Formats: sequence, structure tokens, C-alpha cells
Amino acid sequence: DQQVKQNSPSLSVQEGRISILNCDYTNSMFDYFLWYKKYPAEGPTFLISISSIKDKNEDGRFTVFLNKSAKHLSLHIVPSQPGDSAVYFCAASGTNRDDKIIFGKGTRLHILP
Amino acid sequence: GAVVSQHPSWVICKSGTSVKIECRSLDFQATTMFWYRQFPKQSLMLMATSNEGSKATYEQGVEKDKFLINHASLTLSTLTVTSAHPEDSSFYICSARENSPLHFGNGTRLTVT
Repeated sequence: DQQVKQNSPSLSVQEGRISILNCDYTNSMFDYFLWYKKYPAEGPTFLISISSIKDKNEDGRFTVFLNKSAKHLSLHIVPSQPGDSAVYFCAASGTNRDDKIIFGKGTRLHILP
Repeated sequence: GAVVSQHPSWVICKSGTSVKIECRSLDFQATTMFWYRQFPKQSLMLMATSNEGSKATYEQGVEKDKFLINHASLTLSTLTVTSAHPEDSSFYICSARENSPLHFGNGTRLTVT
């Protein structure tokens, strides 16, 4: 049973436009959510996170929105740049330091010139 | 910032041999480290939680005798793939959490021939 779902395996966006990556979760006990970016043959790199007490967190070009009632979060990247082409993983966990983090299957983002 | 170092970055071994992968937290102490495995075009699958000074906690379906984990110090966890088979070929990634976000090593690409 997949607790964190990224239903779009891939997404193509024109350079300069907004990229929106979506993520749904099923476990209502999750209260901390993260987005990671991954290039081939490298470990994931942390991008941005949000706790369940917020509905929005912004860091430069990256904004994460959380809709707890819908158990849905999204990552907005604007403007999209060529270097943003990568696989993006949505992840969720509790807030305790040793809580497991559960990952979605990832969405491959292609930024088109 | 927090850095997690993983070694080796790639390894090729013959069937039946054992391979050890090291994961180090470079500038923080990690009582808990996590080991993930990623198959091509798949999500990061949590294999086990490595606890300093005690036994690792394995996820369902992960053979503890196959994937030996040792967390002997606050900065080092090792994963040993014993009697490796071609189906063990995969990308193995370790991670540790200093505060909130999980930091990942760069991964180890294991190929068993």
C-alpha cells in the first residue's frame, strides 16, 4: 500500500514557465513533508519542507503548498530553469528525529528550452 | 551544512562475494541512519533503520542475514551485502537526520556479475 503517491511519472515544462509537481498521501499521521531533487547516479538533495501547521512554505523559486484536508501537497517552481530537470521525490514522515521517511515514486521533470 | 558521505560510489563484484558500504555523517552525530535502495525508475525503498549501539530495524521483506547493518559509532553505519547475487544489483543510498530534513549520501551503485 503506497502511502505517498506521485501520480505523474513525468512532466515537461517550458523554460521560464511554472512547474507544478503534485503529491498525495494516505496516512493522516504524517505531519512533516519534504521534497527532494535527484540527478542520475546521485543521492537525493533536500529542496524544501513543510510541517502540517502551515499551508505554504516558500524558498526562492520553490514553494510548497499543503492541503491537509485533501491530503495533498504540491511543489511549484517558478520560473523553471534548465537545471531543474531532474527527478523530484515527495516524502512524508512524523516530526520525531528517528521517524521513517516514506517516499513517493518520483516525477521526472523536463525543462524544455 | 550537514553532510553525509557514502563510500564506495560504485562497486562491481562477483556472485557469492560480500560487499561493504560505508555511510558517515561528517559534521554531526547521527544516532540513527537509514538505508534505502532504489531500483531503476522506482522510488526510494527504505530497507532498514540503523541504530547506534543496537540492532538495526529491518523493513518487511528485507532479509536481515543478507543485508547486515552495523552502526558502531555515532558517525558511521555500514551495510554489508552478503553472498551477493545479480538481483542485488541496485543503487543503495544511506541517510541521516541532524535536525529536520534527511540528508543523503551520494549513493553506491552495486553491480553483481
